[in-house]
Amino acid sequence: ELKVEQNPLFLSMQEGKNYTIYCNYSTTSDRLYWYRQDPGKSLESLFVLLSNGAVKQEGRLMASLDTKARLSTLHITAAVHDLSATYFCAVESHSRDDKIIFGKGTRLHILP
Amino acid sequence: DGGITQSPKYLFRKEGQNVTLSCEQNLNHDAMYWYRQDPGQGLRLIYYSQIVNDFQKGDIAEGYSVSREKKESFPLTVTSAQKNPTAFYLCATSDRGVVLGQPQHFGDGTRLSIL
Repeated sequence: ELKVEQNPLFLSMQEGKNYTIYCNYSTTSDRLYWYRQDPGKSLESLFVLLSNGAVKQEGRLMASLDTKARLSTLHITAAVHDLSATYFCAVESHSRDDKIIFGKGTRLHILP
Repeated sequence: DGGITQSPKYLFRKEGQNVTLSCEQNLNHDAMYWYRQDPGQGLRLIYYSQIVNDFQKGDIAEGYSVSREKKESFPLTVTSAQKNPTAFYLCATSDRGVVLGQPQHFGDGTRLSIL
């Protein structure tokens, strides 16, 4: 059974600092997704990672995937308040049954 | 504009009552999903459908039912058997087609509470 674990679950950090959110998963997969959710809102797609070593960057966010370690990271560079949100990783089952399992999310609070 | 419409935005359920949450899409996506979100629990998969007239149970299907009679529509019924229905319900779609690895698109959600 595919399990997805994120850590930390809550992160409070100062503006201008760097930090990394980790996403571990339990079975083979080469399709991993990162989403952002603002309070009371829906989810917005950030990154799609489809192969070992994949790296995607958008502004101050960079995501990477290591399929051998079953690990993805979301790195925040020089955080700004606007990045405050909850970030989810989601992993697609390698059996291609279209089942996508989400982590519990990392609630990021960036202090001005 | 293409998108996913969930309705209603807020819904209240009385004891012993079944309620149905609507999800309609005009993205022409084959796959549709229902998730439940509780505080601190992330998203948990209730049901999903890859094609019309076919659907599969997710991890927490008990107390819920779905139908997929049309490509555009995937309604979720919360039955009286679901004893703790209070949550935020999100509908999502994805384009499975030939190209895999497409992200899901999400509706704005329905917030369900017990009266």
